[in-house]
Amino acid sequence: DVKVTQSSRYLVKRTGEKVFLECVQDMDHENMFWYRQDPGLGLRLIYFSYDVKMKEKGDIPEGYSVSREKKERFSLILESASTNQTSMYLCASSLQGSIEEKLFFGSGTQLSVL
Amino acid sequence: QQQVKQSPQSLIVQKGGISIINCAYENTAFDYFPWYQQFPGKGPALLIAIRPDVSEKKEGRFTISFNKSAKQFSLHIMDSQPGDSATYFCAASISSNTGKLIFGQGTTLQVKP
Repeated sequence: DVKVTQSSRYLVKRTGEKVFLECVQDMDHENMFWYRQDPGLGLRLIYFSYDVKMKEKGDIPEGYSVSREKKERFSLILESASTNQTSMYLCASSLQGSIEEKLFFGSGTQLSVL
Repeated sequence: QQQVKQSPQSLIVQKGGISIINCAYENTAFDYFPWYQQFPGKGPALLIAIRPDVSEKKEGRFTISFNKSAKQFSLHIMDSQPGDSATYFCAASISSNTGKLIFGQGTTLQVKP
C-alpha cells in the first residue's frame, strides 16, 4: 500500500513564524500536492509538483511556497504564518500516467496559528 | 471561484436508507469525476470514479450517476450503514499527467442506527 506520511498531526505556531510542513511518500510517485481543508470550503489546492524541482501554483498559493528537492519529499512553507492560515493541511501523491488518476492522501496536519 | 459545487453540506439518513449527494461543475473540459470518502482523523480515500463516456457506474452499494448535458453528477449510497458515516467529496479533473483535482465543498453524512 502507498504510504503518505506527514511529519506532524498537530502544530501550534505564533503569528509571523516561519512554518515548515513536511510530506514523504514511499511509492515513487511523480506527482505531489498540498491541499488545505476548511469546513464548508472543501479541499483547495495550494501547490503541486509533477517532478523534482518543479512546482505549479494551485488555486490559493498566496502566503505559501513549496520545495521539492527529492522525489519522495514535498514541503509546504508558510513564510510568515497568519491566523487565517489556521487549517487542516493535506498532502497527497499520485502516479503519473495512471488510468485511475488516484490520489493517495496523508492523514493531515492540523495547524493552529495564534 | 468554485468550479465544482456540492450539496448538501450535511445529510442525516436512517440505516437502510438511500443517501444522495449532488455535484455540479462548470468546466466542460473536465473528463474525470471521482468521489472521495474521509473518516475522522484520516485523509480522503478514493471511493469510486466515472468518466463521461458512461452515465452510471456501480460498485457494490455505491453508484455514480452522470448527466453530461446538465453538467451534474451524483453519488447514491444504497442501504446506508452507520459505517458509511463520513465526509464525502466529489471532484473533477482534466486528464493529464499532473493528476490535479478540483474538489467540491464536502458533505458530512451521518447514518443513524
